[in-house]
Amino acid sequence: EAGVAQSPRYKIIEKRQSVAFWCNPISGHATLYWYQQILGQGPKLLIQFQNNGVVDDSQLPKDRFSAERLKGVDSTLKIQPAKLEDSAVYLCASSLDLVGGLSYNEQFFGPGTRLTVL
Amino acid sequence: AQKVTQAQTEISVVEKEDVTLDCVYETRDTTYYLFWYKQPPSGELVFLIRRNSFDEQNEISGRYSWNFQKSTSSFNFTITASQVVDSAVYFCALSVINTGTASKLTFGTGTRLQVTL
Repeated sequence: EAGVAQSPRYKIIEKRQSVAFWCNPISGHATLYWYQQILGQGPKLLIQFQNNGVVDDSQLPKDRFSAERLKGVDSTLKIQPAKLEDSAVYLCASSLDLVGGLSYNEQFFGPGTRLTVL
Repeated sequence: AQKVTQAQTEISVVEKEDVTLDCVYETRDTTYYLFWYKQPPSGELVFLIRRNSFDEQNEISGRYSWNFQKSTSSFNFTITASQVVDSAVYFCALSVINTGTASKLTFGTGTRLQVTL
């Protein structure tokens, strides 16, 4: 079974530029997550989709970050314009949920995109 | 709100030593999951274990074992006879159970384990 795919793996941009990341979850997984992991910290959830609807985007800096999952499968995360503090690894994860009406929350993570903002 | 604390920033051991990684969590919810993930230098988070808040039985999987104690809100992870391949950053995480809706993972800051020969 193929895992969570992400691209690109690395990206270097200058501040105020725009950047987009792509994620393809494991087939059949209803829930997709984007996390930001700053060096030396644990991942922090940015946005969570259930199918193509947003479940939680409370920690997404909406003035510069946006994300979509139009067909309920793959997703893109965009930063426009980027700031120096956006340098981080952006992790995408997916999970197979709604098993027996309870959250079955084993999340499978992709390899991440390492973003460097100069 | 949920919080996960991993007080040990970095641990160094010599191969074959046993090592315990500590995890303390905070939540007002009575039903939740606890997790441990491994992040090797390649960067991908690897799932190790999930534990339901109703199940306080300790678990052993090969050289790995987990000690869940609700009384102290701890979910500690022990590696027996450590190996160089165990070198990684280990994250403890918490997820609240919501019927019908998946809930996010709240991660600790991680513990970097360095195993040397």
